[in-house]
Amino acid sequence: NAGVTQTPKFQVLKTGQSMTLQCAQDMNHNSMYWYRQDPGMGLRLIYYSASEGTTDKGEVPNGYNVSRLNKREFSLRLESAAPSQTSVYFCASMGWGRGSYEQYFGPGTRLTVT
Amino acid sequence: GESVGLHLPTLSVQEGDNSIINCAYSNSASDYFIWYKQESGKGPQFIIDIRSNMDKRQGQRVTVLLNKTVKHLSLQIAATQPGDSAVYFCAENDGGATNKLIFGTGTLLAVQP
Repeated sequence: NAGVTQTPKFQVLKTGQSMTLQCAQDMNHNSMYWYRQDPGMGLRLIYYSASEGTTDKGEVPNGYNVSRLNKREFSLRLESAAPSQTSVYFCASMGWGRGSYEQYFGPGTRLTVT
Repeated sequence: GESVGLHLPTLSVQEGDNSIINCAYSNSASDYFIWYKQESGKGPQFIIDIRSNMDKRQGQRVTVLLNKTVKHLSLQIAATQPGDSAVYFCAENDGGATNKLIFGTGTLLAVQP
């Protein structure tokens, strides 16, 4: 049981390049989320997927797209990277555990756009 | 949502002392709150949660207090240890059906040996 996994762990892009961040969970959770975290700040929700086949915008969706490929996988795509998208990206899934709902986070992807 | 600041509030405590980390939330409809711990270079880790129909919940060495009147949440850590050094975030469920969490800015807890 690996929990939430993310690839890649690190990435450097040039302005205008595109890339997809991958996320997978093996806990059979319905809900999955993408956040970004900038230095010294909290997490901001980019997109989320309440269940397979649905996606919705969070607080900061501009410049991103997502795909809920199946129940396990939720990918985040940057079509044309900008320096403002330099950040650490966390994927999370939410499900019932230890008597309440918990959000489990992946280890993060550190993205630098030059 | 909550305001986001450029500087992380810091709480410095001596090893063995009790720590209290505070959080203000903004949404009266929020019905579920979680405290997370984030160590350097890692993703946030669940610590403890509380529902809006409770005002206190205890875990192992941690207690969360909820004051709905003033929309305030606190995390108390007993006998703070060096391993408790991390950034602590509170998060509120937005009260909707999609379990969307809104995170606070975070507090850096620095435990002095």
